[in-house]
Amino acid sequence: DAGITQSPRHKVTETGTPVTLRCHQTENHRYMYWYRQDPGHGLRLIHYSYGVKDTDKGEVSDGYSVSRSKTEDFLLTLESATSSQTSVYFCAIRVTPDRGKGRGTEAFFGQGTRLTVV
Amino acid sequence: QKEVEQNSGPLSVPEGAIASLNCTYSDRGSQSFFWYRQYSGKSPELIMSIYSNGDKEDGRFTAQLNKASQYVSLLIRDSQPSDSATYLCAVRPNFNKFYFGSGTKLNVKP
Repeated sequence: DAGITQSPRHKVTETGTPVTLRCHQTENHRYMYWYRQDPGHGLRLIHYSYGVKDTDKGEVSDGYSVSRSKTEDFLLTLESATSSQTSVYFCAIRVTPDRGKGRGTEAFFGQGTRLTVV
Repeated sequence: QKEVEQNSGPLSVPEGAIASLNCTYSDRGSQSFFWYRQYSGKSPELIMSIYSNGDKEDGRFTAQLNKASQYVSLLIRDSQPSDSATYLCAVRPNFNKFYFGSGTKLNVKP
């Protein structure tokens, strides 16, 4: 268990309203990611963070903003939700387990948030 | 061009057979490669990682990497109905990011 929780798990919102999704981790990992998953497109990176107040854009960042004021929390905000942002959103953390066991840096995911914009 | 390409499937195999899943990637400098399994309505779960050319075995799973051909594969031996899921290939081309394919749906028929 990588200790990641996302909230809310499900949300329905109206077009034009702001929405904030939360990702919380308990293990003090430096890197956190937000992805969206849509049929036919797989997982696409929205934004990521490499430390408190340090964030960068991914491949589909338009219409989204992020904030990280504490190591454990990474927030994704849809500033004015549109129907094209209906999707499943996953948060992930980057973990580096024991290299001596042949494992390198890996990504682990939260449970996901299903967002519907009507 | 997408960073990671996979055939979307579905791939159907009978129970007990070998399932072979394939993936190609575009960044020749990539060093880390992963296979995730995702059941319907659930989050992706890491099942294999591979970092050097050749084969890596873990139970019924074997990951194969060919960097010259920019090709990663996953073999599942003695496939079970519980293996039915979507399998995502992922690549870490640099220090910061992970890129994922769109996934191959596997159906294992009893």
